[in-house]
Amino acid sequence: QQQVKQSPQSLIVQKGGISIINCAYENTAFDYFPWYQQFPGKGPALLIAIRPDVSEKKEGRFTISFNKSAKQFSLHIMDSQPGDSATYFCAAISSGSARQLTFGSGTQLTVLP
Amino acid sequence: DSGVTQTPKHLITATGQRVTLRCSPRSGDLSVYWYQQSLDQGLQFLIHYYNGEERAKGNILERFSAQQFPDLHSELNLSSLELGDSALYFCASSAQGGGLYGYTFGSGTRLTVV
Repeated sequence: QQQVKQSPQSLIVQKGGISIINCAYENTAFDYFPWYQQFPGKGPALLIAIRPDVSEKKEGRFTISFNKSAKQFSLHIMDSQPGDSATYFCAAISSGSARQLTFGSGTQLTVLP
Repeated sequence: DSGVTQTPKHLITATGQRVTLRCSPRSGDLSVYWYQQSLDQGLQFLIHYYNGEERAKGNILERFSAQQFPDLHSELNLSSLELGDSALYFCASSAQGGGLYGYTFGSGTRLTVV
């Protein structure tokens, strides 16, 4: 059972454009929602994260929007740059002592120069 | 450098063989998580150890096992390897059970089974 659904699978954006990646979850026990960025040959790296009691969080060009009632959250990359080309994973961490991280399926972002 | 060290970076082995992947967590981190990343399955959680004790199991095959040693490094043992086990294997660490800021991942071990 896929607990975190992510779309689109791939995304091509022109330099300077806005990249939007969407995720939806089912498990209400999730209490933390990080986004990871992965470059080829590297491990995922934490990009930005949000708690469900916050509707929006912004860090530089990256913004998470969170809709708790709809159980959806999204990543917006403003002024997208070629260096942002990577695979992006949304994720969710379940409450409790184990704090297991469940990933979405990933979005391969390509920003054209 | 994330501070999480995985060795080897690449591994090529034949079907039926056994391999051991090693992970050294960031200094001070007690939790180690193992993930498998394949093209068709994405990042799948395998197993979690906290301070030497198994905390949670995910989609880990019976042919796979792991342990965390007193110095907190962890090893993932894969046996009776099949072609479908070819994947990237990531280790991640955190201070406690995931914590506020999630996990820190290593650069992975790319396993190719031929």
